[in-house]
Amino acid sequence: GEDVEQSLFLSVREGDSSVINCTYTDSSSTYLYWYKQEPGAGLQLLTYIFSNMDMKQDQRLTVLLNKKDKHLSLRIADTQTGDSAIYFCAEATGSYQLTFGKGTKLSVIP
Amino acid sequence: EAQVTQNPRYLITVTGKKLTVTCSQNMNHEYMSWYRQDPGLGLRQIYYSMNVEVTDKGDVPEGYKVSRKEKRNFPLILESPSPNQTSLYFCASSLRGPNTEAFFGQGTRLTVV
Repeated sequence: GEDVEQSLFLSVREGDSSVINCTYTDSSSTYLYWYKQEPGAGLQLLTYIFSNMDMKQDQRLTVLLNKKDKHLSLRIADTQTGDSAIYFCAEATGSYQLTFGKGTKLSVIP
Repeated sequence: EAQVTQNPRYLITVTGKKLTVTCSQNMNHEYMSWYRQDPGLGLRQIYYSMNVEVTDKGDVPEGYKVSRKEKRNFPLILESPSPNQTSLYFCASSLRGPNTEAFFGQGTRLTVV
């Protein structure tokens, strides 16, 4: 079945760039998503990339997709304390399901 | 305001006592789903619904039921809750399917003792 893997923790200093990595297994993935979960809240969509794209930039966020290696990354430039949260990678597949990774907890050190 | 509303936010119950967690969306979305979030396991899909009267199992459906009698509502039913169903539950909706942005509710923290 589909599987999405992420590292569980990342710690960066305020002002540095954060890079959160994700690998997926289903080559039929159509869309790949990054969701953010702040403490006590539900998930909010940050950005997404269609599977035929290599890169997408949206203000401080850059998503890179390497289809050959099935690797997705999210770069957050100039990381702020408000970026501290859990980030989930998710893939949409042809089975009408959205499969999430376990989430990466980003801690930003002031 | 576009939103997905879950109730209750917190629930403590005893083993075997039937309960229902409600979910309602005001965006006329076709696709709705339920997830449970557990430490170290991330989000796992319980059930999903492509439209009214159309539901299907996700990855962890055992012990749960759902219904989709109206487009806006997608309740999650635990007929006989057990302690291993203690978890944080999220309802989500999207316009068509998982290829469109999902909007999540605030979550329901369920404890079964």
